[in-house]
Parts: sequence; structure tokens; C-alpha cells
Amino acid sequence: SQQGEEDPQALSIQEGENATMNCSYKTSINNLQWYRQNSGRGLVHLILIRSNEREKHSGRLRVTLDTSKKSSSLLITASRAADTASYFCATFPGAGTALIFGKGTTLSVSS
Amino acid sequence: EAQVTQNPRYLITVTGKKLTVTCSQNMNHEYMSWYRQDPGLGLRQIYYSMNVEVTDKGDVPEGYKVSRKEKRNFPLILESPSPNQTSLYFCASSHGANEKLFFGSGTQLSVL
Repeated sequence: SQQGEEDPQALSIQEGENATMNCSYKTSINNLQWYRQNSGRGLVHLILIRSNEREKHSGRLRVTLDTSKKSSSLLITASRAADTASYFCATFPGAGTALIFGKGTTLSVSS
Repeated sequence: EAQVTQNPRYLITVTGKKLTVTCSQNMNHEYMSWYRQDPGLGLRQIYYSMNVEVTDKGDVPEGYKVSRKEKRNFPLILESPSPNQTSLYFCASSHGANEKLFFGSGTQLSVL
């Protein structure tokens, strides 16, 4: 059951530029999370935003959540080559359900 | 160091030969889960466990078994592997189903 869908599927930018990835979902959620995956390795949790929150920051990351539009965005400012990875959003619809992952956005940052 | 440990990292086997992928976490997490990742399909949940002796099916449970006899371990068992189970597998754990997940490094399985 695919809930979240990231956009774009792939993104290529230069070092120093900002990268924005979007996630749309279908049903109401308890929270939404963003993860990073480096080339076939395990996913690493980046940030969790709850349904009653609109924006969260963590270092160079900024996440927004618009529950009326059922969408979220992840902004990475001043990108570095080390940010090259796949980024996934995951939504938690509520009690009795499980975290559902989207298919991811592949970000390439060139120096 | 807090971690989820999966073994083996790579596994090549033949159709029908039973195998087990082990998963262990040292964070005293109640919730554990198995995912498979395939190109173009993202991560799909196979099975999850809310606590010891409590397991439930995810989106793609066919052909897999799990057990949760101890809090720290959550092995994934393929009784009779088939080529369509060739995939990258991840174990993950957290304090609760809605909390942030900690992932293992993955097991790349090839079934010939």
C-alpha cells in the first residue's frame, strides 16, 4: 500500500545550491518522517514532523508539512557532495498501522 | 553503540534451500520490522513485531516467516526461497510503530 510519493524522482544540483524534495500522501497521518539512504546502505532517520506541526529544522534541513494539501517538503540548504543519496518520506497513518515509505528521490550533488 | 545488526550482509542461495537472516538490536526497542527494497518499488514491509511473541503481517508476507522469542532478536526465515525473493532486505527497530526507525545495514539476497 503506497502512501507517500516523492517528487521529483531524481534531482541533480551543484554544491552550494539548495535542494527541495516534495512528498504527497493520500490519507490523514499521525506523523511524517524523512530518511536518507546512501547507495544500498541502511536508511538513516533525518527528521520527524507531527501532524500538528507545520515546520521543523535540523541543521541544514528544513521540513514543512501542509496537512490540508497532504504534502511535505524537505529543503537541504547549501548542498554538499556528501548529501548525494536517496531521500524517502514515510508516513504513519495512525494506531494499528505501520510506517509506509515512498519510492524516494535520488539527489546528486556535484562539486 | 546503539545499533541494529543484520547478518549476513550478502547471501547467494539456490531455490528451495531454507535460510535465515538474523537481526538483533541493542536499544531495548519494542517494535521491530522487516522490509524488502526493490528497484522502482521502494521499501515494502514484510512483517513487524510490536513486542515479544507479537508478530503481524506487513504488505508482502508471502514466502516469509518471523519469530520474536526475545526482545532483541527478530530473525527472518525463508522456508523455500524462490528467485522472486531476490532483493535487498532491511531490519529496523524503534520504541514504537510511529517513532523513528533505526535500520540495519541490509542483506543482499540472491536466489538462483
